Amino acid sequence: AQKITQTQPGMFVQEKEAVTLDCTYDTSDPSYGLFWYKQPSSGEMIFLIYQGSYDQQNATEGRYSLNFQKARKSANLVISASQLGDSAMYFCAMREGVHFGNEKLTFGTGTRLTIIP
Amino acid sequence: NAGVTQTPKFRVLKTGQSMTLLCAQDMNHEYMYWYRQDPGMGLRLIHYSVGEGTTAKGEVPDGYNVSRLKKQNFLLGLESAAPSQTSVYFCATKDVAYEQYFGPGTRLTVT
Repeated sequence: AQKITQTQPGMFVQEKEAVTLDCTYDTSDPSYGLFWYKQPSSGEMIFLIYQGSYDQQNATEGRYSLNFQKARKSANLVISASQLGDSAMYFCAMREGVHFGNEKLTFGTGTRLTIIP
Repeated sequence: NAGVTQTPKFRVLKTGQSMTLLCAQDMNHEYMYWYRQDPGMGLRLIHYSVGEGTTAKGEVPDGYNVSRLKKQNFLLGLESAAPSQTSVYFCATKDVAYEQYFGPGTRLTVT
């Protein structure tokens, strides 16, 4: 079974609108972390936001927020007031067993976001 | 402060040739990783290291070897390249925090 599922291969959004990128995950470990990375056309991987499984509040970083619904095992990325520079590939990733030294990330297949002027 | 650098940026190999990819970091991070990125498959972990002198297998280790003789360097070797190893290779590092920092990638083509 896929550990990280991103069901939207591509999305088109009008500039200045908010956008939600979906991510669901599968783990039986009570201790895990969820990440979002952005990959622009230049190819580098840029860390956006992190949510720990025990964090009580949803993570926020500037225009990025993570809508964490633990019971549904979803960790959607919300980008408010989208900008042209947000056009990129977005990856959701998970690290399991964070308190036991497991340092491995599992990535989803990504969502290509295109912002339309 | 260069962060994470990868050498080379591009390489074309013939089937059966060998090569080594170098990842270097100046952030004094303990953890280092090698991933490959293929179209439609996201990033997959090849090997990783939790400190100098240590290495461990990731999700797709076959056909690759690694070494971490110095803390700042993590080498990825292909002993006998195959077309299936055509990919973009990313190195990443991490300290005690949760975030991984990625290098710019190496685009490898095996013909």
